[in-house]
Amino acid sequence: TQLLEQSPQFLSIQEGENLTVYCNSSSVFSSLQWYRQEPGEGPVLLVTVVTGGEVKKLKRLTFQFGDARKDSSLHITAAQPGDTGLYLCAGVITGNQFYFGTGTSLTVIP
Amino acid sequence: EAQVTQNPRYLITVTGKKLTVTCSQNMNHEYMSWYRQDPGLGLRQIYYSMNVEVTDKGDVPEGYKVSRKEKRNFPLILESPSPNQTSLYFCASSFINRGETQYFGPGTRLLVL
Repeated sequence: TQLLEQSPQFLSIQEGENLTVYCNSSSVFSSLQWYRQEPGEGPVLLVTVVTGGEVKKLKRLTFQFGDARKDSSLHITAAQPGDTGLYLCAGVITGNQFYFGTGTSLTVIP
Repeated sequence: EAQVTQNPRYLITVTGKKLTVTCSQNMNHEYMSWYRQDPGLGLRQIYYSMNVEVTDKGDVPEGYKVSRKEKRNFPLILESPSPNQTSLYFCASSFINRGETQYFGPGTRLLVL
């Protein structure tokens, strides 16, 4: 059983469209991170959120941590082909053990 | 250049033949970790280390060993590999602090026949 469930698992959209990826759990996390992974490479950190209700923006990407710190979302505005990749959420409950979500594979078609 | 290196990048072996995957970082990070990535399961943590001589089990430690004799190195050891350990393995490192950036290596693709 996965501690963190991501949805959707696959997403294919046209350039310029908006999208939201969800990361949900029944557990409370002390912090949550979002990563993007390109084929043949390791994940690269996009953002870390630590406070319930926190919203962070990174250019066209908006990240939100749920008030109860059990869920998070990633919203991309006006998606571009360069946004294509595997998006992963990862959380820490206590200590330093990380739990990763199942991933969302995004394809942005020009 | 700050980086995490892993060797080898690709490895084909047979059941039961001991192997070691090396991981090294040059950022003076206290925290190092090993993950395996499988389709549909995402990344799962195998072992992690908070500092030299301190290691802890992650989510899926069975069949793996690690050691942390030096701060920069964190090798992953498979004493008797089995086909279910065929996977893509990533090493990562970071400073110890809630929310610190984990830097990942390029990955090691292992096939156990």
